[in-house]
Amino acid sequence: QAVVTQEPSLTVSPGGTVTLTCGSNTGPVTSGHFPYWFQQKPGQAPRTLIYDLTNKHSWTPARFSGSLLGGKAALSLSGAQPEDEADYYCILSSGGARVFGGGTKLTVL
Amino acid sequence: EVQLVESGGGLVQPGGSLRLSCVASTFTFSDLFVDWVRQAPGKGLEWIGRSKSQRYSYTTEYAASVTGRFAISRDDSKNSVYLQMNSLKTEDTAVYYCAAIRGSLGSWGQGTLVTVSS
Repeated sequence: QAVVTQEPSLTVSPGGTVTLTCGSNTGPVTSGHFPYWFQQKPGQAPRTLIYDLTNKHSWTPARFSGSLLGGKAALSLSGAQPEDEADYYCILSSGGARVFGGGTKLTVL
Repeated sequence: EVQLVESGGGLVQPGGSLRLSCVASTFTFSDLFVDWVRQAPGKGLEWIGRSKSQRYSYTTEYAASVTGRFAISRDDSKNSVYLQMNSLKTEDTAVYYCAAIRGSLGSWGQGTLVTVSS
């Protein structure tokens, strides 16, 4: 089973830009891993932000975007808002199974 | 968007069993992939397994950590997916979510708490 890695914590200033990444110990992440990104706030269920690497849901704020960056899946946030402070998780598909990253705690400060 | 509602959580002793249910509001339930995800207190998300759609013969996949103890089944006539958990351990204590997260679907249930304790 693959190990999926994310930055444990990141800080961004209000209005600033930050990139979260999602890597795999089995090699470069590709679109074939069907990366998803989720946001979770305390006491709430996760909310899906990005699916299949780059696609946004109707409820995904335009300031979020997904991409590949240096062999990893990436979630970029441009123009951070206080309400973006949350935990962010990625998930990768591999051989029928799916594996979550450990999550990134994003602080907007 | 699909609405998902879990139920069946509660307190169970180590070694015991529990069955969780997930009901989906969709007219095309047989087309739905449903994942089970859990989150231990203060920890991250862990993928447990998945039930694929009718087109994929309702194949199930599991994480290594639960293979042999947990089983996913479904009843399309009830728009329901089930997670049967056997030989429960204290480390299985978590909030359990069902989710329809495939393709353009991104729905999650509200979660149900399972506590394994004597």
